[in-house]
Amino acid sequence: GAVVSQHPSWVICKSGTSVKIECRSLDFQATTMFWYRQFPKQSLMLMATSNEGSKATYEQGVEKDKFLINHASLTLSTLTVTSAHPEDSSFYICSARAQIDEKLFFGSGTQLSVL
Amino acid sequence: GIQVEQSPPDLILQEGANSTLRCNFSDSVNNLQWFHQNPWGQLINLFYIPSGTKQNGRLSATTVATERYSLLYISSSQTTDSGVYFCAVVNPTGGGNKLTFGTGTQLKVEL
Repeated sequence: GAVVSQHPSWVICKSGTSVKIECRSLDFQATTMFWYRQFPKQSLMLMATSNEGSKATYEQGVEKDKFLINHASLTLSTLTVTSAHPEDSSFYICSARAQIDEKLFFGSGTQLSVL
Repeated sequence: GIQVEQSPPDLILQEGANSTLRCNFSDSVNNLQWFHQNPWGQLINLFYIPSGTKQNGRLSATTVATERYSLLYISSSQTTDSGVYFCAVVNPTGGGNKLTFGTGTQLKVEL
């Protein structure tokens, strides 16, 4: 089956630093990738939708200058949390929509802890 | 936007028991999926079921789109079934092909 690789799996950083999370579709091309955020014992909340070669579309309430999304190729999207603060600590999950049949596949998630 | 409510929020079962999880949604959908999130956070796609009934081993799902609900049946539950179950929908009038996740059901299967 299709695989979406997300790295890193977990990261601990100091407040004020920036963290980059990568999401790769390993065996298929993805025109669209989605980034979600999940707080403990809560559901997944969509942060933004990224399309290859164009600017990401952010959901209401998500700061685009804080959560930078780049989708430079059909197999890679990155989320950069800039100047991270403790309230940004969360589980971040990406998903990729396959170009060929539009099925959706999820990465394994990244646990971010900001000290 | 569309509201997606799941019930029950929490469920504890003895191994071997059966259960039914429910997903209610507030508007029309053209895509509905059930996911299992394991204790490590990985989301596993269980069913793509915008309507009708599907079965896969001990799991089956039914969606009645006209009445805006879907059910996930788990039979002969096992400890490995533990985790969080989410339904997620796409609302065609909501714009785009965005999946909106439900509130989730936390399932624990005990020996």
